[in-house]
Amino acid sequence: NAGVTQTPKFRILKIGQSMTLQCTQDMNHNYMYWYRQDPGMGLKLIYYSVGAGITDKGEVPNGYNVSRSTTEDFPLRLELAAPSQTSVYFCASSTGSFEPQHFGDGTRLSIL
Amino acid sequence: ILNVEQSPQSLHVQEGDSTNFTCSFPSSNFYALHWYRWETAKSPEALFVMTLNGDEKKKGRISATLNTKEGYSYLYIKGSQPEDSATYLCACNYGGATNKLIFGTGTLLAVQP
Repeated sequence: NAGVTQTPKFRILKIGQSMTLQCTQDMNHNYMYWYRQDPGMGLKLIYYSVGAGITDKGEVPNGYNVSRSTTEDFPLRLELAAPSQTSVYFCASSTGSFEPQHFGDGTRLSIL
Repeated sequence: ILNVEQSPQSLHVQEGDSTNFTCSFPSSNFYALHWYRWETAKSPEALFVMTLNGDEKKKGRISATLNTKEGYSYLYIKGSQPEDSATYLCACNYGGATNKLIFGTGTLLAVQP
């Protein structure tokens, strides 16, 4: 049972490059979330989706984009990488409104 | 700006000690509170989701209580073991049906044998 799978696990980018962080879940969860975690800070919500074709901004959406064309996949796109986007990124999913969220193992991203 | 606060920031206890930590949150527009356990080099793992004032949940030696009127939750660990060493995260749902969470910064627990 794979759960929530994130790829890649690590990545180094140069300033101005773009990349997509992949997230896929095999639990048929409608709700999916992207968070970033910076040292000394709590997890901050970047974007979320309550179902295929529906996405919305979280607390810190600037510099990111998402899409949700299928229930399983929720990729996060960085168009012009900036040093401030150096962080650990976590994808999560849940079955519904008041259910626990299931997290992937994270992607550690460094922008130099 | 909604702020979920956890205390203490870190805690060192001896094996066998019982311990507890606190999550404080604004009580207006509150829907639910989540507790997660986050071991180093792993992903956060859900412990409890609580919604009602007075809720109490238990999982083995770990239990939690919720007071929505005054805006706090306690997490208790009875007879701490080295494998309980982790960061314990509290998160609150103010988004209702969207299940959007505001996370605290966590309490880092270290249990020494």
